[in-house]
Amino acid sequence: EIVLTQSPATLSLSPGERATLSCRASQSVNSYLAWYQQKPGQAPRLLIYDASKRATGIPARFSGSGAGTDFTLTISSLEPEDFAVYYCQHRKNWPLTFGGGTKVETK
Amino acid sequence: EVQLVESGGGLVQPGGSLRLSCAASGFTFSTYEMNWVRQAPGRGLEWISSIGGSGSTIYYADSVKGRFTISRDNAWNSLYLQMNSLRAEDTAVYYCAPRGITTYYFDYWGQGTLVTVSS
Repeated sequence: EIVLTQSPATLSLSPGERATLSCRASQSVNSYLAWYQQKPGQAPRLLIYDASKRATGIPARFSGSGAGTDFTLTISSLEPEDFAVYYCQHRKNWPLTFGGGTKVETK
Repeated sequence: EVQLVESGGGLVQPGGSLRLSCAASGFTFSTYEMNWVRQAPGRGLEWISSIGGSGSTIYYADSVKGRFTISRDNAWNSLYLQMNSLRAEDTAVYYCAPRGITTYYFDYWGQGTLVTVSS
């Protein structure tokens, strides 16, 4: 099973600041990694797939990079609605697994 | 518009059983792999099971293998999860989610149904 480790667990930032979230895989997942955003009481929303492709309707301030075992989700300038929990997920093989999440909170 | 509506959750005693359903609409259900993903209270996301479009390809997470059974009825655009021998650690919100044909990730999610395993 591929383990995805996200860091930091919590990121305290102010609106307008840049957010950089990390996801590290225990073995290579090539570029088969996605990022999701989840707000309290809501289902997750797909943001980025295959490491760097933005899903439909996702603003350009969200970008993804990386390959192999190290991946980054960047939010270039935080909007108030971006404060949420973010998860990475791979699709390299079975079982599909998610990272433990990074909470982006208001400083 | 894609819609996914889960139902069947509730309170069940340890060792008990429950059957979850997911009614899908707005897409060609039979062509999509369908999945169950759960989230324990205050915890992260856990993929637990997948079934291919025809129903012939099935995968389970080790945490539920041998206790849970995924199935689908393409005539009724419905997905099911039969959960037996339930444990306290199965307490979670259960989401159904198709894997996108173009993205191969979970493009759409239902609102989830809460399963609570407690005496």
